[in-house]
Amino acid sequence: QGQLVQSGAEVKKPGASVKVSCNASGYAFSSFAMHWVRQAPGQRPEWMGWINTGIGNTKYSQKFQGRVTLTSDTSANTAYMELSSLRSEDTAIYFCAREGGSGWYANWGQGTLVTVSS
Amino acid sequence: DIVMTQTPLSLPATPGEPASMSCRSSQSLLDWNDGTTYVDWYVQKPGQSPQLLIYTRSYRASGVPDRFSGSGSGTEFTLEISRVEAEDVGIYYCMQRKEFPCTFGQGTKLEIK
Repeated sequence: QGQLVQSGAEVKKPGASVKVSCNASGYAFSSFAMHWVRQAPGQRPEWMGWINTGIGNTKYSQKFQGRVTLTSDTSANTAYMELSSLRSEDTAIYFCAREGGSGWYANWGQGTLVTVSS
Repeated sequence: DIVMTQTPLSLPATPGEPASMSCRSSQSLLDWNDGTTYVDWYVQKPGQSPQLLIYTRSYRASGVPDRFSGSGSGTEFTLEISRVEAEDVGIYYCMQRKEFPCTFGQGTKLEIK
């Protein structure tokens, strides 16, 4: 089935960057893509991007293009999401989600709260 | 981007009774190339991450009770619960993955009467 464990909560100042990790276990990490989704308080989830964890190619939402970078380390079974130039509107819970057979999200991490505040 | 709209936003339900919620997309989610309809349903229980219920319109995810069923076509989709249980409380989201960016509905909050 698999399990995804994310890094802990972060507090950042506007203009800073944050890097969230997502450690996978219980399945073949490089065989399934990883998506990143964020959810601001009281809002619907919002898709940020996707990485092929095996070969490293990525696809980003136009909204985050230029600010988000997705990477993966197959030796550590870990995916990373880095978001730069943070602003208060980026305050949200950030989730990693493993793709199932053909694109649905079979597993989700527990979420990482990122708070952007001066 | 494809816009997903869910109704109702709030759904009071009675244990043992059926419940139904709808999702409408701004474009058809049918891919004519492979005949697949790219809509999934997730539930987010209080304080938890979303979890998969239904994928590709009507397939139940592993471990999901057969009380849950997905249906619909084109731009109109429905999630039905045949007999609501107290544990079904949460926010139900539809999501399209026919095109990037994947987009979610605003959610239907199921509450027990």
